[in-house]
Amino acid sequence: EVHLVESGGGLVQPGGSLRLSCAASGFTFTDYWMSWVRQAPGKGLEWVANIKYDASKMNYVDSVKGRFTLSRDNAKDSLYLQMNSLRPEDTAVYYCVRARNESEYDYFSSWGQGALVTVSS
Amino acid sequence: DIVMTQSPDSLAVSLGERATINCKSSQSVLYSPNKKNYLAWYQQKPGQPPKLLIYWASTRESGVPDRFSGSGSETDFTLTINSLQAEDVAVYYCQQYYNIPPTFGQGTKVEIK
Repeated sequence: EVHLVESGGGLVQPGGSLRLSCAASGFTFTDYWMSWVRQAPGKGLEWVANIKYDASKMNYVDSVKGRFTLSRDNAKDSLYLQMNSLRPEDTAVYYCVRARNESEYDYFSSWGQGALVTVSS
Repeated sequence: DIVMTQSPDSLAVSLGERATINCKSSQSVLYSPNKKNYLAWYQQKPGQPPKLLIYWASTRESGVPDRFSGSGSETDFTLTINSLQAEDVAVYYCQQYYNIPPTFGQGTKVEIK
C-alpha cells in the first residue's frame, strides 16, 4: 500500500523559510514523478511542483518559481520542498502526491495527509 | 495554463436522487494519438485529503461505488452521482493533466437537501 507522510510544517514569518519533507513507502520510489499540491484554508486545490524520478527535471507553478525548490533523495525514499521568501498567500496545507503511472502527465492516485504551513507575523 | 471551471459551486440533493456536476476546460484535454481525455475527478471530505474517483474522464477508480460515473470529451465533462448517499457529502474537484501545470476546478460542494 502506498504511504506518504509529510512533516516540517509550522508557523513562519513572512520572508522566512521552511522545508517540508515527505517520506514514501509501499512502492518503488525511483519509478515515479512526485508532486506537491496545496490547499489554502477553505479554498481549492493548487498544484505546486513536480519532480522526475531521477531528479533531472522539475516543474513549478509560476507563483512559486524562484522561491521554492523541489528535491528528492531516492536512497531515503524522500521528497523535499524548500520554501524561501514565504508570503502570507503561501499559507496552506501542503500534500505530497504520487501519480498512478510513471508519467509526467498523469492523475494523482495517492495523497498524504498534508502538512500545514502558516505564514504570519 | 488551462482553466477549469466547474458548475454549480454548490448543490443540495435529496437522498437517493441524482447529483450532476459539470466541468469545462479552457482548451481541449483530448490527446488525439491515444484518444484519451486527460481529466480526473476527486472527492474531498472535511479534514481529509482528496480521493481519486475517476480518471481518463470516465474510468472509475478501484473501490469507488458504481453510482459515481464520469462522461464527456474535449472541453466538457460531467460527474454524475446516482442515488446520492449521506456519505457522498463532500467537495468534488475536476482536474486536467494534459498540460503542465495540472490545474483543478474551483470545487463543487454537494450537500443533502
